[in-house]
Amino acid sequence: AQSVTQLDSHVSVSEGTPVLLRCNYSSSYSPSLFWYVQHPNKGLQLLLKYTSAATLVKGINGFEAEFKKSETSFHLTKPSAHMSDAAEYFCVVSDAGYGGSQGNLIFGKGTKLSVKP
Amino acid sequence: NAGVTQTPKFRILKIGQSMTLQCTQDMNHNYMYWYRQDPGMGLKLIYYSVGAGITDKGEVPNGYNVSRSTTEDFPLRLELAAPSQTSVYFCASSPTTGGMETQYFGPGTRLLVL
Repeated sequence: AQSVTQLDSHVSVSEGTPVLLRCNYSSSYSPSLFWYVQHPNKGLQLLLKYTSAATLVKGINGFEAEFKKSETSFHLTKPSAHMSDAAEYFCVVSDAGYGGSQGNLIFGKGTKLSVKP
Repeated sequence: NAGVTQTPKFRILKIGQSMTLQCTQDMNHNYMYWYRQDPGMGLKLIYYSVGAGITDKGEVPNGYNVSRSTTEDFPLRLELAAPSQTSVYFCASSPTTGGMETQYFGPGTRLLVL
């Protein structure tokens, strides 16, 4: 069964410093992986997704993630944090297998990112 | 396009009451989903629909019902509210199967059952 583990429940960085949010996944198939962001009192918004094309995926707002099959990881990074990046971030894996089965999303517990001035 | 809209934004229910959470999307998406988000947890799938007239259970369906009479609307019904249903509920949609597709989320409904 597919699952995803976000290794940190809370990450705090200073504005202008790099961001690293860690995610490990477990999947029986070649996975589809996503990062979603949730700003306070808002719905979720897709940051980026990996669907077996390039292993380095670029998303919105300067975020990117690298799919590493050998490490079963999909960590999210950004070179320089901005105050507006403060939000909760969810790593997500799809439970779709081969043959087009229903691809429901399995969410990690989330990582809250705080950005200090 | 308004995207995915949800009403109400916030509701307080007494134990045993019933209510319907409304969800509408204007993107002509076939797939729609209901999730709940409990504090400190990721989202868990309650029900989903692959098209009008077709619904199926997700991970946590107990205590809920859904219907999908049109492509646009996917209401979630709570028949006998319980404190365990206190949560934030998100509706989402996607054009095809969610395996590789982006899901588009509504702003959520915060429900408190007392």
